Amino acid sequence: GNSVTQMEGPVTLSEEAFLTINCTYTATGYPSLFWYVQYPGEGLQLLLKATKADDKGSNKGFEATYRKETTSFHLEKGSVQVSDSAVYFCALREEYGNKLVFGAGTILRVKS
Amino acid sequence: NAGVTQTPKFRVLKTGQSMTLLCAQDMNHEYMYWYRQDPGMGLRLIHYSVGEGTTAKGEVPDGYNVSRLKKQNFLLGLESAAPSQTSVYFCASSSPGIGAEAFFGQGTRLTVV
Repeated sequence: GNSVTQMEGPVTLSEEAFLTINCTYTATGYPSLFWYVQYPGEGLQLLLKATKADDKGSNKGFEATYRKETTSFHLEKGSVQVSDSAVYFCALREEYGNKLVFGAGTILRVKS
Repeated sequence: NAGVTQTPKFRVLKTGQSMTLLCAQDMNHEYMYWYRQDPGMGLRLIHYSVGEGTTAKGEVPDGYNVSRLKKQNFLLGLESAAPSQTSVYFCASSSPGIGAEAFFGQGTRLTVV
């Protein structure tokens, strides 16, 4: 079945450091790929998405590129802030189905 | 600006008790989902619905039932709660379509003692 694998956390960075959170997927066809963010005590909210190979999603300084050849969708940010501390989830929506499948989530802690 | 609303927000149950979690969305979305979130395991799909009157099993459906009698509501039932069902439950809704965004509720924290 379809699945998403994320790097384990927590990831702890100093403010203004470079961030990478790895995400790889297994799916048939051409799924859509998403990054969601969850702040403490809240539900998930969409951070960015990409719907076809080589698309780059971007938002709030975060970006991720849909790499079909490596089945990856790594999240990057050039300079993190304390306010970026949250849990980040990689997800896919099946091309030929209705399910939205999530990875295990990666905790990011940014210290000042 | 309600979006997706879950009730209740917190609940403590005794083993064997039953309860229903309610999810309501005001965005006219076709698809609705129930997930549980457990430490280290991310979000796991319990059941989902692609339209009024239809439901389907997700990854971890055992011990849960659902109903979608109205398009805007998606109910999750626990007939006989077990400690293993202690979790945070999230409801989400979306439109159909390959790149459609899912909108999430605030979650329900359920403890079974």
